[in-house]
Amino acid sequence: EVQLVESGGGLVQPGESLRLSCAASGFTVSSNYMNWVRQAPGKGLEWVSVIYTAGGTYYADSVKGRFTISRDNSKNTVYLQMNSLRAEDTAVYYCARGAYCSGGRCFSAPYMDVWGKGTTGTVSS
Amino acid sequence: QSVLTQPPAVSGAPGQRVTISCTGSTSNIGAGYDVHWYQQLPGTAPKLLIYGNSNRPSGVPDRFSGSKSGTSASLAITGLQAEDEADYYCQSYDSSLSGSVFGGGTKLTVL
Repeated sequence: EVQLVESGGGLVQPGESLRLSCAASGFTVSSNYMNWVRQAPGKGLEWVSVIYTAGGTYYADSVKGRFTISRDNSKNTVYLQMNSLRAEDTAVYYCARGAYCSGGRCFSAPYMDVWGKGTTGTVSS
Repeated sequence: QSVLTQPPAVSGAPGQRVTISCTGSTSNIGAGYDVHWYQQLPGTAPKLLIYGNSNRPSGVPDRFSGSKSGTSASLAITGLQAEDEADYYCQSYDSSLSGSVFGGGTKLTVL
């Protein structure tokens, strides 16, 4: 079964760090585009970061310079290292598999076809 | 402010048809990037509903359909059912931001 399981959330103070993990099963993370998407309490979805198959990484402006996405192919796991955390980073963080193609058709924007249940990070003093 | 604009809320009676719009700009939908839609039921993770503007993943009822034109896209839901009550999000890619972008979300209420 294709599945994503996030972990690592918790309560930290402003300025501290958290490392989120996303363990995949049923597929290989290194062969897919892997994303982190967050949702602040009562708010909408916000794309945070992506790591492409070749290893390239991109970030939303709101987290650039503070967050780092990476993966461990041996563990089939993707990580999000979050440093210098702020109150506005409080959110449920979802890991999502990205794809460009399906059934022989490819699209110009990646979509996210598999989502984890999320892990909550709270930044508060 | 989200890069893609959706109405905050729509509503309809059971059996009716509703549409949700998603308006972008020349750096995302208007640049030709495809649009995808997600359904988020209360307390759960988002689920892919429509990909590539108008394609349904296996298991999604054909009551859900999508379209795209110019700088906008739309999600239509026909034969509304109580179980359709959820938040709906559009998503595309923005070349100026070099990343995916979401709409602000639309809360669908089935009256």
